[in-house]
Amino acid sequence: EVQLLESGGGLVHPGGSLRLSCAASGFTLSNYAMSWVRQAPGKGLEWVSVISDSGSGTYYADSVKGRFSISRDNSKNTLYLQMNSLRAEDTAVYYCAKDSNYGVNSPISFWGQGTLVTVSS
Amino acid sequence: QTVVTQEPSFSVSPGGTVTLTCGLSSGSVSTSYYPSWYQQTPGQAPRTLIYNTNTRSSGVPDRFSGSILGNKAALTITGAQTDDESDYYCVLYMGGGVWVFGGGTNLTVL
Repeated sequence: EVQLLESGGGLVHPGGSLRLSCAASGFTLSNYAMSWVRQAPGKGLEWVSVISDSGSGTYYADSVKGRFSISRDNSKNTLYLQMNSLRAEDTAVYYCAKDSNYGVNSPISFWGQGTLVTVSS
Repeated sequence: QTVVTQEPSFSVSPGGTVTLTCGLSSGSVSTSYYPSWYQQTPGQAPRTLIYNTNTRSSGVPDRFSGSILGNKAALTITGAQTDDESDYYCVLYMGGGVWVFGGGTNLTVL
């Protein structure tokens, strides 16, 4: 059974940093691209970032480019999202997602349950 | 910047058929955009229904189907059930590793 378990969310001050983790199980992580998607309270889904199966390709939404960094450790079956220079508008539930194939043009096929990040003073 | 468009809301009667669409503010949607559809009920994580235009995700009933209709991607629900009352999101691949979600459609079944 495919499982994605996010952790690392919480309350952080504006300008602060946070690292999210996503522990994957039930499939071979190295065979799939992986994504992060967020959802602000009461709002729709917003794509944040994607990383290729090997980690050689990383892409970001304009809203987080230069501040967020996606990475993966296939040996640990874990996906990460390093978030720096956080702003109030980054407050959201962050979902880890498994893509349907190895390329960054592969749509999301499975979602984690999400972790809440709150940026507030 | 290209915007992905969805109907903000839609209503269908139980047992009825509804087609939700996913378009572009400029241009036409094709299979090259790998259109995909997700269902979300309040307080829950999204669930994948359809990806790559018309591939049904594991466990999704066959009354959910995806297609290209005219210049838009479409999600059709045949024989709508009260459990289908949810928010539905589409996503399109814009190239260069970038994806964009639509604003979502709130579907009411009554």
